[in-house]
Parts: sequence; C-alpha cells; structure tokens
Amino acid sequence: GIQVEQSPPDLILQEGANSTLRCNFSDSVNNLQWFHQNPWGQLINLFYIPSGTKQNGRLSATTVATERYSLLYISSSQTTDSGVYFCAVRGAGSYQLTFGKGTKLSVIP
Amino acid sequence: DTGVSQNPRHKITKRGQNVTFRCDPISEHNRLYWYRQTLGQGPEFLTYFQNEAQLEKSRLLSDRFSAERPKGSFSTLEIQRTEQGDSAMYLCASRALISTGTGTYNEQFFGPGTRLTVL
Repeated sequence: GIQVEQSPPDLILQEGANSTLRCNFSDSVNNLQWFHQNPWGQLINLFYIPSGTKQNGRLSATTVATERYSLLYISSSQTTDSGVYFCAVRGAGSYQLTFGKGTKLSVIP
Repeated sequence: DTGVSQNPRHKITKRGQNVTFRCDPISEHNRLYWYRQTLGQGPEFLTYFQNEAQLEKSRLLSDRFSAERPKGSFSTLEIQRTEQGDSAMYLCASRALISTGTGTYNEQFFGPGTRLTVL
C-alpha cells in the first residue's frame, strides 16, 4: 500500500516563529488532507489539497503531486497551534485515508 | 451540531467483555469509515461503508470485530471478548462526494472518537 512519511517527528518553536512541515508519499494520490489533532484527540480539518496551494489565515499548504510531497506552513506560531499535525492520503483505487505518523508541534511562550 | 458525533466518548471495560460504539455521520454523507489510533501513531483504517453496504475491511479487523450500518445512517462497531491490545481511540469519519465545476472533492470529516481502555 501507499506509504506516508512526515518530517520532522517533533518540533519545538518559540511563539511567533514560522515552521514548515513536510509530507512525502510513495504513489499518486486522489486525496491529500492535513489535520491538526488537539489534546482531546479531535482531528480538525486544515486543508483538502491533492494539488496546488491554499491559504487559510496563518496557515498555508502546497502539494506538488508530480513530486509526491506536500508542505504545511505555519507562520507567527501561537501556543494554541501546539498538537500533532497529520498528513493523510488516499491512493488511486483505494477507499481509505493512509496517515503518516504525524509531527508533534510544541509552541512555547 | 452538524458534525460527526460518536458515543460514548470514553469506555473502560474489563478484558473479555463486549463493547459497542456508535457513530452518527454528517447527515448528507453516504460514506462512513472507522479508524483506530494507538498512542503515538496515526489513525489506521478499519472498515468502510457506502450507504448500508460494507465495502472494505482491513486485516486489522479481526473476527472479534463487527461493524454495521443499518439503513445507511448511523453505524455501530462492536468488539467481542475484548483484549488489552484493543485499547485505543476509535475514530469515525464520513465523506460526501462533491463534484463542482473545478473538480471532485472527497474530504473526510472525523468525529471526536471513543477512547477504549481494556483493563
């Protein structure tokens, strides 16, 4: 099946700093989503982005499908950005999302 | 609330007992998924329904696990004879297939999960 690798696994930032999270995947995809999992376990949809670039406030994402990677940018980080960020993909001919292991982000004041 | 809901939110049970979880998807979504997440890992796919039909099951879904979606609305996931290794967060997601002039969207939305602890 399709493989998803996220980097870095852990990231500690000072409040106000910027960061880039990366997601590599092993095959072509029909769906790519970025999620933020809060401390209570809820997965919050950030972006649906199988290709192209999107922005939502301080967050933006870019997927280069031909090169099989996606990037999530967080600017001017806040303590509320802390949590685990997951990239998930759905390969061609597949029903389910395959998740990476996540990037654990800690933003300190 | 128009999101995916799951009940109960937490369940503590003794090894060997049966447990059942419920998921209510977003009302217009005809596709429903169950995932399991253990500590430090991303969610892993368990099974998928399109309306009331169960179309795919993961190898993770042993014969102690059964899922149903009667009438294509809510879904239940039952675990029989629970084992300590079943302790995990069980997540439900739903999806609508949306086609627009600019493309087809297959975004999945997740519920808050049911955290199972088997003692």
